[in-house]
Amino acid sequence: DVKVTQSSRYLVKRTGEKVFLECVQDMDHENMFWYRQDPGLGLRLIYFSYDVKMKEKGDIPEGYSVSREKKERFSLILESASTNQTSMYLCASRVGDGNEKLFFGSGTQLSVL
Amino acid sequence: RKEVEQDPGPFNVPEGATVAFNCTYSNSASQSFFWYRQDCRKEPKLLMSVYSSGNEDGRFTAQLNRASQYISLLIRDSKLSDSATYLCVLYNFNKFYFGSGTKLNVKP
Repeated sequence: DVKVTQSSRYLVKRTGEKVFLECVQDMDHENMFWYRQDPGLGLRLIYFSYDVKMKEKGDIPEGYSVSREKKERFSLILESASTNQTSMYLCASRVGDGNEKLFFGSGTQLSVL
Repeated sequence: RKEVEQDPGPFNVPEGATVAFNCTYSNSASQSFFWYRQDCRKEPKLLMSVYSSGNEDGRFTAQLNRASQYISLLIRDSKLSDSATYLCVLYNFNKFYFGSGTKLNVKP
């Protein structure tokens, strides 16, 4: 079974801190995604990556950046955390472009105080 | 207008009941459709794909109505363990669109 691992289940940070959320997948998937999930809004795409060192903005990239230096790892960075970035963050991966099956990590609940 | 719309619920049903959720979508060119299940504070997991002819997996039946642009999920003989949020997901031009989910509570 594919495993997508997010480094932290819960995080509490202060406004203005730089925050790193890490995601690792073990199945050599090409595509990786970062979503945030808020009540009533569903999952919204922040960034995605087609392959190593490649990234594309999603629907809500403002205030975030990403890094994909190795195929198995996709990091989400909050440059200066703000309270409106308090959310559940979900990482996902899939085999490659055009493949319809997504595998999710267990999520990171981030609270910014 | 949202790409995908769902009734947030909650749907409160007794064990053994039959319950159905609908999900409407705005883009008539949408390619593929799915239902995901998400337990409280957990990640979404694929429940089933939705095919044009309709498909069944045990107690779960999914239907697609392209003319009216909605998909449905029917759960028969509800179990306590079916309590979760059910997400409607569309796949269109290499992008996924998620509904905000319908919450189901199955009570003893």
